[in-house]
Amino acid sequence: GQQLNQSPQSMFIQEGEDVSMNCTSSSIFNTWLWYKQDPGEGPVLLIALYKAGELTSNGRLTAQFGITRKDSFLNISASIPSDVGIYFCAGTVLTGNQFYFGTGTSLTVIP
Amino acid sequence: ETGVTQTPRHLVMGMTNKKSLKCEQHLGHNAMYWYKQSAKKPLELMFVYNFKEQTENNSVPSRFSPECPNSSHLFLHLHTLQPEDSALYLCASSQTYAGETQYFGPGTRLLVL
Repeated sequence: GQQLNQSPQSMFIQEGEDVSMNCTSSSIFNTWLWYKQDPGEGPVLLIALYKAGELTSNGRLTAQFGITRKDSFLNISASIPSDVGIYFCAGTVLTGNQFYFGTGTSLTVIP
Repeated sequence: ETGVTQTPRHLVMGMTNKKSLKCEQHLGHNAMYWYKQSAKKPLELMFVYNFKEQTENNSVPSRFSPECPNSSHLFLHLHTLQPEDSALYLCASSQTYAGETQYFGPGTRLLVL
């Protein structure tokens, strides 16, 4: 099946640093989504992207839908302790209904 | 608060028990999903219901039995589970099953002894 490669798998950063993570696929995607999951909770939608090249911000978070439609990245600026969690990318291919999820990036912010 | 609620939040059961997980969405969506999330593994799609009809069953063992009485409610009935079924079970909903954004509930943390 479709696989989304998400990197890095984990990150340990100092509070105040910027963070960047990305997601790549072997197929062309129609939508890209970024979710955050806190321990013991369900994923919460952060940003949704629907057009190639689209750049969308949500507070300190910025995500972009890659021009090739095969990748997306998420940036977090000036990280704070509550940014800790697992960040998942997800999306749908150009044809089809199914959502595909990345394996997640675990973020730890050191105060 | 995503508009998707799940109960119970935590469940411990023996292998011979029968229990049910409940999901309710208040978003007016028509598609609902069950996912299994095990430690260090990607989300695994289990079942999809679109307009109350089951459209996906990803080779899930019969000891998991879904039920969707209406577009707002989804159940997962559990019986004779195995310890390896211990995981976080997540419910999600979307407008329809057409690749639209999914909104997740908080999950039920299940432990099978």
